[in-house]
Amino acid sequence: GENVEQHPSTLSVQEGDSAVIKCTYSDSASNYFPWYKQELGKGPQLIIDIRSNVGEKKDQRIAVTLNKTAKHFSLHITETQPEDSAVYFCAARGGNTGFQKLVFGTGTRLLVSP
Amino acid sequence: KAGVTQTPRYLIKTRGQQVTLSCSPISGHRSVSWYQQTPGQGLQFLFEYFSETQRNKGNFPGRFSGRQFSNSRSEMNVSTLELGDSALYLCASSPRGLNQETQYFGPGTRLLVL
Repeated sequence: GENVEQHPSTLSVQEGDSAVIKCTYSDSASNYFPWYKQELGKGPQLIIDIRSNVGEKKDQRIAVTLNKTAKHFSLHITETQPEDSAVYFCAARGGNTGFQKLVFGTGTRLLVSP
Repeated sequence: KAGVTQTPRYLIKTRGQQVTLSCSPISGHRSVSWYQQTPGQGLQFLFEYFSETQRNKGNFPGRFSGRQFSNSRSEMNVSTLELGDSALYLCASSPRGLNQETQYFGPGTRLLVL
């Protein structure tokens, strides 16, 4: 089955710096890669996703890149702000049938210091 | 549209008891997935329901079960609770549960087993 690895487990940056979180997946048939942000006491909130027919997607300060050959994808946050502090999860889904479970990485705790 | 709602938000039970958690998906969404989130194991897939049928199942013991009603609302049940069942239980909904559809999470039910 699918396995998703996520690094780093914790990331501390200064406000205004960029943050990069990386994930690798094992199943070459995976074709959907969402990123979720989870704040304390809340459920995961989708912040951006990418599908396998696209190499990069950007939404304001957030971007995701996908390298299908290497089977890895990354989240890039520019101009970080204290409110970006949260746990971020990557996930992968897809396969040879139409209904597959979403497999999550282990999460990255991002701390943005003012 | 209202988001995914889960009730109750918090529960305290003792070992050996059973518990039922409820999830109401986003209006129009027919797929509901359940996840268990713990510090040690991260986000793990429990099962997915679509049109009142369980379509996918994770690697959890038979004590964990679920069902879905004709209005797409879903419940999950855990019988004979163990200490290790203490976790945040999340449900997520999507229109049809297809591989490339976005899943939207609820706030979760935090279960503490004493």
